[in-house]
This record gives sequence, C-alpha cells and structure tokens, in this order.
Amino acid sequence: EPEVTQTPSHQVTQMGQEVILRCVPISNHLYFYWYRQILGQKVEFLVSFYNNEISEKSEIFDDQFSVERPDGSNFTLKIRSTKLEDSAMYFCASSARPKNTDTQYFGPGTRLTVL
Amino acid sequence: GNSVTQMEGPVTLSEEAFLTINCTYTATGYPSLFWYVQYPGEGLQLLLKATKADDKGSNKGFEATYRKETTSFHLEKGSVQVSDSAVYFCALSGESGGSYIPTFGRGTSLIVHP
Repeated sequence: EPEVTQTPSHQVTQMGQEVILRCVPISNHLYFYWYRQILGQKVEFLVSFYNNEISEKSEIFDDQFSVERPDGSNFTLKIRSTKLEDSAMYFCASSARPKNTDTQYFGPGTRLTVL
Repeated sequence: GNSVTQMEGPVTLSEEAFLTINCTYTATGYPSLFWYVQYPGEGLQLLLKATKADDKGSNKGFEATYRKETTSFHLEKGSVQVSDSAVYFCALSGESGGSYIPTFGRGTSLIVHP
C-alpha cells in the first residue's frame, strides 16, 4: 500500500538555525499538507499546497515558514530561524482531492527539537 | 470557528472490555467527521469516517455514528485488544474560506492490559 514518508525522523537543532523537513507524498496525490503537534497538545494545521502554491495557511504559518515542491516527488517545510517553541512533531499529509470527504494520508512525522 | 472536544485520557482497560471515547464538535455547515489512530512511533492513520448525519463509520471492530442532534461522534468497540493501545484523535473537516481544513481534538490515549 502506498504511504507518505518523512525524513529525518528526528532533528535536533540550535535556536536560530534553519531546518528543512522533507516529505514524499503518495505519488498520484495532488494536495499536500503540513501539521504540527506540540507534545501533549492537539494536532494543528499549518499549510496546504496545490499546483505549486499555497492554498491555505494558518496563523501559525508566519514568515519564518515556507514550503516548496522542488521536484516531482518531494515536499519540504523550511523554518528559517528556529525558536524554542517550534519544538514539535511535524506531520506531512497528502490527499487525492481537497474535498472534506477525502482521506488525508499522514506520514510518520519528524520530531524537531530546538535547543 | 470549528472545534473538537475529546475526553481526557488515558483510558485504561482490560482486554475484552467495552470501549467508548467521547467526541463532540462545533462547526458551521455540514462537516465530515473522522477518527484517526496513532500507534507508538507512527503517524496518524485513518480509522473511520462519516460524511453526513446518521452515517456510521466502522473499521477493525470500531464504530462511530455521526449524530448531528447532539453534535457527537463517539468511538466505540465491543471488545478491545492489547494491540488497540494507541492514541485516538477525533477530527472534523469543515469548510473554511472555500477549502476544507481539518480540526483535530487533543487525542485520547488508550492503554489495554492483558
């Protein structure tokens, strides 16, 4: 069964450094998403992406964040200057369509630790 | 705005016990409702979903019925197994500015003892 993959599984970085989190969505999906989950809290939507541009973004997704689909398979989330409060699990997801009835398939997540 | 409220965990049960995890929601319009499961060290997996009122989603012995009158989508299983130990997330997908952005609950941890 096709699945969403994410790398790395765990990233440790110093405050102020840039990080890039990578995701490979399911190959025939067209809609891509990033979420984060701070330890013990709910899963929060960050951004959705379609046709090489952002479709929706939340208030969390400020100027420090950016997303890119650099080639036909990868989907990346960049945090330009990490802060302590960026420490969280980041999940990538993809779906065939953006409709509310469609299933989003999630990757295993990248745990980001900012020191 | 949209919101999802789940019962606090952890929920601790013995094998073969009956499980209920409560979920209520607030949303405008007609959202779809989902239960996701997260096993240790893994991502979220869709467990079941319901897209309109009175629909029942079911999978792997789990069930949940979309109750619009009580704005609820409680997860139930008649006989849990140790392998069901995981975190369960209730979510809704409702319209926001023409797109459908999921809103998740905080998650409920289930621990099943042999």
